[in-house]
Formats: sequence, structure tokens, C-alpha cells
Amino acid sequence: DQQVKQNSPSLSVQEGRISILNCDYTNSMFDYFLWYKKYPAEGPTFLISISSIKDKNEDGRFTVFLNKSAKHLSLHIVPSQPGDSAVYFCAASEVGTNAGKSTFGDGTTLTVKP
Amino acid sequence: DVKVTQSSRYLVKRTGEKVFLECVQDMDHENMFWYRQDPGLGLRLIYFSYDVKMKEKGDIPEGYSVSREKKERFSLILESASTNQTSMYLCASSLFGGWEQFFGPGTRLTVL
Repeated sequence: DQQVKQNSPSLSVQEGRISILNCDYTNSMFDYFLWYKKYPAEGPTFLISISSIKDKNEDGRFTVFLNKSAKHLSLHIVPSQPGDSAVYFCAASEVGTNAGKSTFGDGTTLTVKP
Repeated sequence: DVKVTQSSRYLVKRTGEKVFLECVQDMDHENMFWYRQDPGLGLRLIYFSYDVKMKEKGDIPEGYSVSREKKERFSLILESASTNQTSMYLCASSLFGGWEQFFGPGTRLTVL
């Protein structure tokens, strides 16, 4: 039973346009969500997060939206740059349990074409 | 600059060998994690530890064990390596009560 799903294995966008990466979850106990970016031959690095008490969080070109009723979150990158080409992982956690444990999705490979 | 290091970037072992993967963090983090990453399966948690000598099973602990004798070091042990344990292994750490995890560069393990 996969509790965090990223249904698009890959996404290709043109430089300067918006990239939208999606993530769905099934566990209603999840209340903190994170996005990580991973370049080849490197470990994932934290990008942005959102608590369930919010529906939006922005950091520069990156915005995460959370729709709790739909159990859906999305990461928007505007404008997209070639350096954004990477694998993006969505992760979800239950606050107060399990020592910071997160459940990760399968990842979406984003390619930004110049 | 925060850092998580893993003992090897690439490792080739034979079926049945005992394999040790070492992870060291210099951030004084309480929590440490071992994941494996496989194509189409994302990051799957093998084991995690929230304190010295404490450990908890993740989603796929079978065939693995861990050791945490010091706060900064978390070891993953494959008691008898098998070909289905060929994978990328990632170590991570985080602060107690924190959610952001800091990852090492990964170890690409091939079991022949």
C-alpha cells in the first residue's frame, strides 16, 4: 500500500515556463509535507515544506500548495530553469510520531529544456 | 556546512558476503535513517534510529540490520548479501523534532 504517490514519472517543460509537480497521499494522519530535489550521483536535498495548517508556502521561485480535503499537494516552479532539471521527491510525515520519519513518493524526473 | 558522509560511493560484493555500509554525520543530529532507492520505487526506509543504541524497523528491514554505537555514526549491515539487494543506499540525518532530512551522496552497491 503506497501511501505517497507521484503519478507522473517524468515531466518536460520549456525554460521560463511553469513546472507543476503533483503528489497524492492516502494517510489522513500525515500533517507535514516536504519536497526534495535530487541530482544524479548526489543525495536528495530539501527544497520546501508545508504544514497542514497552511494551504500555500512560497520560497522564491518555488511554491507548494496543499489541498487537505483532496489529499493532494503540488509544487510549482516559476519560471523554470535548466538547472531545475532533477528528480523531485514528495515526502509526508506525521508530526509527533516516529522520530522525524517521512514516507517518500517514487519521484518525478523534471527536464527543463533551454 | 552540514555534512553526511558515506564510506563508499561504489561497492561490488559477492552473494553471501557480509557487507557494512557506514554513515557519519557532523551535525549532532539525533535521528538517522537508511534508505534504498530503486527505479520506480522511490526511497524506501530500511531502518532508522532516534538515539544511540536505539533502532526501529522501517518499511523493508528484511535482510538488513543496523548499529548505532555513537551518535554520529549509523551502520547498515547486510548479513548475507543477495542479488536483490543491488541498489543505491542513502543515509540521512535530522534533528530531534525536525522534519528536514540531510542526505549523504549514496552508495551504489552491486551484488554479483
